[in-house]
Amino acid sequence: DAGVIQSPRHEVTEMGQEVTLRCKPISGHDYLFWYRQTMMRGLELLIYFNNNVPIDDSGMPEDRFSAKMPNASFSTLKIQPSEPRDSAVYFCASSGRGYEQYFGPGTRLTVT
Amino acid sequence: GIQVEQSPPDLILQEGANSTLRCNFSDSVNNLQWFHQNPWGQLINLFYIPSGTKQNGRLSATTVATERYSLLYISSSQTTDSGVYFCAARWAAGNKLTFGGGTRVLVKP
Repeated sequence: DAGVIQSPRHEVTEMGQEVTLRCKPISGHDYLFWYRQTMMRGLELLIYFNNNVPIDDSGMPEDRFSAKMPNASFSTLKIQPSEPRDSAVYFCASSGRGYEQYFGPGTRLTVT
Repeated sequence: GIQVEQSPPDLILQEGANSTLRCNFSDSVNNLQWFHQNPWGQLINLFYIPSGTKQNGRLSATTVATERYSLLYISSSQTTDSGVYFCAARWAAGNKLTFGGGTRVLVKP
C-alpha cells in the first residue's frame, strides 16, 4: 500500500508568489494533518481535517495560509503571498481510527 | 500549555553501544508515538505505545503513562541509527500530536 504522497518534493519561489502544496493521504484514513518543521520552532501542527472537514486550524500562522480538502484523497495547503519566513519543510500526515499518524516525505519550500 | 520534553538533546555513540532516550509529558496521554527522522528528512514510525512495552528488532520502547514518561532503547547501535528521534503525544481532546524537541543521535563507526 502506498504511503502518504506529497508534491512537489522541493519548491523554490520568489517572495510574493502563490505556493500550493499537495497531499494524498493513505487510502481509508479519515484524518489528515499539515505540519511545518523549522529549526527555530521544530515540528508544529498547522491544521487537521476529519472526514474532509477542518477541525482545528489554530496553528495556521496567518491569513496568508489556507488549506482545503475537497475529497477524501486530496488536500492542498496554499500560501498567498509567500514570504521568506515561510521557508520550511511542510509535512502531510494521515491516520485512521487507530490514531497512529503516518507522515509523507515532506515538501521543502524555499522563498527567496 | 501541554509540554513534551525529550532528553538528552544530543547523543554521540560508538557503533555497538546501547542508549536510552527519554520523553516526559506534562499530562496523561491517549497516544504516544516515537519517530526517527533520518538524514534525508523522512519521518519514520517506530512505535505507537500509549502504555506498556514493545520491541522491534534492536529497538524497544516503554511508556509508563501514570508517571508521564516514555523511554526508547537502542541496542547495538549502527551508523544507520543516526538521525533525530522524536516522541509525540496526543491528549484526550482532539487528535493533535504535540512533538518534543527531539534527540539528535550520531553513531560513529
